[in-house]
Amino acid sequence: DAGVTQSPTHLIKTRGQQVTLRCSPKSGHDTVSWYQQALGQGPQFIFQYYEEEERQRGNFPDRFSGHQFPNYSSELNVNALLLGDSALYLCASRIYGQTRETQYFGPGTRLLVL
Amino acid sequence: KNQVEQSPQSLIILEGKNCTLQCNYTVSPFSNLRWYKQDTGRGPVSLTIMTFSENTKSNGRYTATLDADTKQSSLHITASQLSDSASYICVVSGRNFGNEKLTFGTGTRLTIIP
Repeated sequence: DAGVTQSPTHLIKTRGQQVTLRCSPKSGHDTVSWYQQALGQGPQFIFQYYEEEERQRGNFPDRFSGHQFPNYSSELNVNALLLGDSALYLCASRIYGQTRETQYFGPGTRLLVL
Repeated sequence: KNQVEQSPQSLIILEGKNCTLQCNYTVSPFSNLRWYKQDTGRGPVSLTIMTFSENTKSNGRYTATLDADTKQSSLHITASQLSDSASYICVVSGRNFGNEKLTFGTGTRLTIIP
């Protein structure tokens, strides 16, 4: 049973560029959430996808957008990258509505913006 | 404003010793509280999840307690091992108009030395 997988593991971009990060949820999970974690900080919620729609959104600008595919996998897109976007981007999955169950996190994608 | 505060920020203990990490929260309405272990540069891994009616929950050498009246939780690690070196994140789940919202603490950085 594969857990949550993310790709790529590491990425280096320059300011102004665009980036796409990918996530495959744990088998049987239909809800995907994305988080940004700066060094030494806790994860910050970006948004959540269920049934291919954005269901909730944190305090992130429109430069951050996402998509969920019919197979429940998801992408996070960030446009016009800033130095401050450098962080570990985490994807987490769970079954929609089962809030008493924990969500499972992927290993993350480390993004460095130069 | 929903907040989760963890203490101490960092902790260094000798291998084999016990330690206790603290989490205070002001999340309302409360749904559940989770403790995660996060190795450097990796995604968080769930240790325990407790609902309002649960006072304690164990996972091997990890024991979490919850006092919903005082809005405090602790994570006790027994007979620490070098592999316990990681960040421990307290996450509180609240519900807002049917949507679950997670509030993350900034974590306690635990270092076990031989």
